[in-house]
Amino acid sequence: DAGVIQSPRHEVTEMGQEVTLRCKPISGHNSLFWYRQTMMRGLELLIYFNNNVPIDDSGMPEDRFSAKMPNASFSTLKIQPSEPRDSAVYFCASSLGAGETQYFGPGTRLLVL
Amino acid sequence: GNSVTQMEGPVTLSEEAFLTINCTYTATGYPSLFWYVQYPGEGLQLLLKATKADDKGSNKGFEATYRKETTSFHLEKGSVQVSDSAVYFCASREGSNYKLTFGKGTLLTVNP
Repeated sequence: DAGVIQSPRHEVTEMGQEVTLRCKPISGHNSLFWYRQTMMRGLELLIYFNNNVPIDDSGMPEDRFSAKMPNASFSTLKIQPSEPRDSAVYFCASSLGAGETQYFGPGTRLLVL
Repeated sequence: GNSVTQMEGPVTLSEEAFLTINCTYTATGYPSLFWYVQYPGEGLQLLLKATKADDKGSNKGFEATYRKETTSFHLEKGSVQVSDSAVYFCASREGSNYKLTFGKGTLLTVNP
C-alpha cells in the first residue's frame, strides 16, 4: 500500500521565491499534519487538518506560510516569499483519526539560498 | 505545557551492544508515550507505544516501559545491529488529542 507521498523530495531556491510543497495522505485517513524539522528546534507541528478543514494553525510561523487542503487526497504548504531561515525538512503525516497513529511521508528537504 | 526530554546524542555502539536511550516527560495528565525511528533519508516511523502506566511497548527487539513514578519511557535493546542506526524520537500525546510532543531526537550509530 502506498504511504504518504510528498513532492518534491528536495528543493533549492533563492530568497524571495515562492515555494510549494505537496502531500498526498494515505487513502481513507481524515487527519493531515504538516511538520517542520530543524536542528535547532527539532520537530514542530505547523498545521493540522481534519476532514480537509484547518483545525490548528498555531504553529505556522508567520503570514509567509499558508496551507490548503482542497480535497481528501491533496494538501499544499506554500511559503511566499521564502527566506534562508525557512531551510528545513518539511514532513507531512496522516492518520485515520485525530488520536490515531500518525504515518509520516519521506519529507521535503528545502534549502533557501 | 507538556514536554519530552531525551538524552542527547550522538550514541555510538558496536554491534551486539546493549542500548538505552533515556526519555522523560512532563504532562498535566496521563499521556500516551511513543518511540519513533527515522532512518536516513526517510520519514518517522512508529516503533512502539504504551498508553498507560506499567505498559510495555515492544517491537523489533526494542522495548520501553511506561513508568509513572519516574515519568520515564526509556528505550532499550539487548543487542543492536548495524541496521538499527537511525535517529530515535520519544514523544507524548495527551489522551486522544491529535498533538504529539516530540523530544529532540537521539542519533544512534552502530558500527560492525
